[in-house]
Amino acid sequence: DVVLTQTPSILSATIGQSVSISCRSSQSLLDSDGNTYLYWFLQRPGQSPQRLIYLVSNLGSGVPNRFSGSGSGTDFTLKISGVEAEDLGVYYCMQATHAPLTFGSGTKLEIK
Amino acid sequence: QVKLQQSGAELVKPGASVKLSCKTSGYTFSTSYMSWFKQIPGQSIEWIGMIYAGDGGTGYNQKFKGKATLTVDTSSSTAYMDLSSLTTEDSAVYFCARMVLITTLFDYWGQGVMVTVSS
Repeated sequence: DVVLTQTPSILSATIGQSVSISCRSSQSLLDSDGNTYLYWFLQRPGQSPQRLIYLVSNLGSGVPNRFSGSGSGTDFTLKISGVEAEDLGVYYCMQATHAPLTFGSGTKLEIK
Repeated sequence: QVKLQQSGAELVKPGASVKLSCKTSGYTFSTSYMSWFKQIPGQSIEWIGMIYAGDGGTGYNQKFKGKATLTVDTSSSTAYMDLSSLTTEDSAVYFCARMVLITTLFDYWGQGVMVTVSS
């Protein structure tokens, strides 16, 4: 199975600060169809995951544009440009290029 | 609007089975896919498998073959997951999430259901 390694595991930020989360894959996530099936989710406490980014860099519907995704191959990054209080929770990257679909171990964002 | 409504919390005995439901509305269920996930509180998320509502075709994570069985009822736009031979290791929150097109992969999720396996 593909292993996704997220760093850091815990991130502490002040309101307005910009932060980045890294997701490194054990295999290239570039599919033979030309797509890279890398996604980012936020799970707020007690809630279901919410999709933020799809196909590496596409913003999900209704997701604020302070969120952005980038990367290719095996290295990916989620950036939050100006953290807001509602952004606290656990962020997960997920890959759907290789079966089975797998998730990273998560990055917990705390607000100082 | 799109909704995925899961059934309520379950308390089941070891060795028993349980059937979870995910009732959908607000989109064309019969031409969509539904995936199921397991999350032990405080841990990451595991993908269990996916079913295509159009023909019932399924794909499973090898880890969950023999444990989970996915089905659908297109007449009620509902997806189901049967979990069998339950042990305490199956105690977790289970989610459903849809896909219509690759760009809509897991854009809507159910609220999750807690399954507790205990004697």
